[in-house]
Amino acid sequence: AQSVTQLDSHVSVSEGTPVLLRCNYSSSYSPSLFWYVQHPNKGLQLLLKYTSAATLVKGINGFEAEFKKSETSFHLTKPSAHMSDAAEYFCVVTQYNQGGKLIFGQGTELSVKP
Amino acid sequence: GAVVSQHPSWVICKSGTSVKIECRSLDFQATTMFWYRQFPKQSLMLMATSNEGSKATYEQGVEKDKFLINHASLTLSTLTVTSAHPEDSSFYICSADPSLSSTDTQYFGPGTRLTVL
Repeated sequence: AQSVTQLDSHVSVSEGTPVLLRCNYSSSYSPSLFWYVQHPNKGLQLLLKYTSAATLVKGINGFEAEFKKSETSFHLTKPSAHMSDAAEYFCVVTQYNQGGKLIFGQGTELSVKP
Repeated sequence: GAVVSQHPSWVICKSGTSVKIECRSLDFQATTMFWYRQFPKQSLMLMATSNEGSKATYEQGVEKDKFLINHASLTLSTLTVTSAHPEDSSFYICSADPSLSSTDTQYFGPGTRLTVL
């Protein structure tokens, strides 16, 4: 069975400081992992994905995530937060035998203070 | 990049009426599309998997007679909320995968806000 846990429901940072959004997963097979961002009343935009290639994945808007199998983690980071980063972030897992079904984490709301 | 559209973006209807939401892949074909429901401040809940040319596969607890899904072509899936009630008010989002790989990226529509009075 697959599952994903986002360890923080809300994270608040100041503009220009680093961002860390934590995600742990559980998967019976080699997982594919994604981070999506959702701005208010909008659909989801893909930030980055891991599909068994390089463990350090670089995404759009300066975000990156590192797949750590030993820790079953896929934390999202950004060196310097921007006001426009304020949004809801979802960590998502799937595996090859699930027919494309995605399992979503509970979401982390990121606030960025001026 | 791959674009998925939804129509309408928002709809208000009276209790007891039916509402149809369209999901289109604009620049790619998708044999499989997915329908999600999202309540305020909550995560996305998968409702059903829509397969072109065959019946949809519904998740446990989702009423298939309530939420009718049709995937008539490789670029269009529709979700019809039948006899809508206020508790059906929600944000409905679809997604589609342009590749044949079940672990590749899915692209999401912008969502449809349904309010049932």
